[in-house]
Amino acid sequence: EPEVTQTPSHQVTQMGQEVILRCVPISNHLYFYWYRQILGQKVEFLVSFYNNEISEKSEIFDDQFSVERPDGSNFTLKIRSTKLEDSAMYFCASSDGTYTGELFFGEGSRLTVL
Amino acid sequence: DAKTTQPTSMDCAEGRAANLPCNHSTISGNEYVYWYRQIHSQGPQYIIHGLKNNETNEMASLIITEDRKSSTLILPHATLRDTAVYYCIVRVRSNTGKLIFGQGTTLQVKP
Repeated sequence: EPEVTQTPSHQVTQMGQEVILRCVPISNHLYFYWYRQILGQKVEFLVSFYNNEISEKSEIFDDQFSVERPDGSNFTLKIRSTKLEDSAMYFCASSDGTYTGELFFGEGSRLTVL
Repeated sequence: DAKTTQPTSMDCAEGRAANLPCNHSTISGNEYVYWYRQIHSQGPQYIIHGLKNNETNEMASLIITEDRKSSTLILPHATLRDTAVYYCIVRVRSNTGKLIFGQGTTLQVKP
């Protein structure tokens, strides 16, 4: 069964460093998403991406965050200068754009900022 | 998107049916009910969705009341692997729509 894959599974970084989280969505999917989940809290929407541009973003997704689809297969989330409060599990998701509305999620990348 | 209310936690005996309720009294006519689950901090997993008719798939059944103000997800024969947080989400069905997760119901399946 096709799946969304994310790398790295866990990254530890120092505050102020740049981090790039990578995702390979399901190959025929057109819509891509990033979510995050701080430990013990709910899953929060960050951004959605379609046709090489952001279609929607939340208040969390400020200027420190950016997304890119650099090569037609990868979908990346960059955090420019990490803060302690960026420590969370980051989930990538994709959908095929049909009206089923089913989002397929990856297993997540755990980011720890020290 | 309409707000949903779910119990914080529930227990279920292994092999028995798990019935997870969801209240969505402000749902509008073009909003669907979706259920996802999250097993131990893994990525959320789609279970089922419906508009007004009851739905069944290989994972679960979804029962939506006639007035659509509430629904119940039924796992017919719960196993230990069904222990997870279950999210009831109401939103307009669209090809671009994001999901907004609430706190969900933590289902503990016990031997």
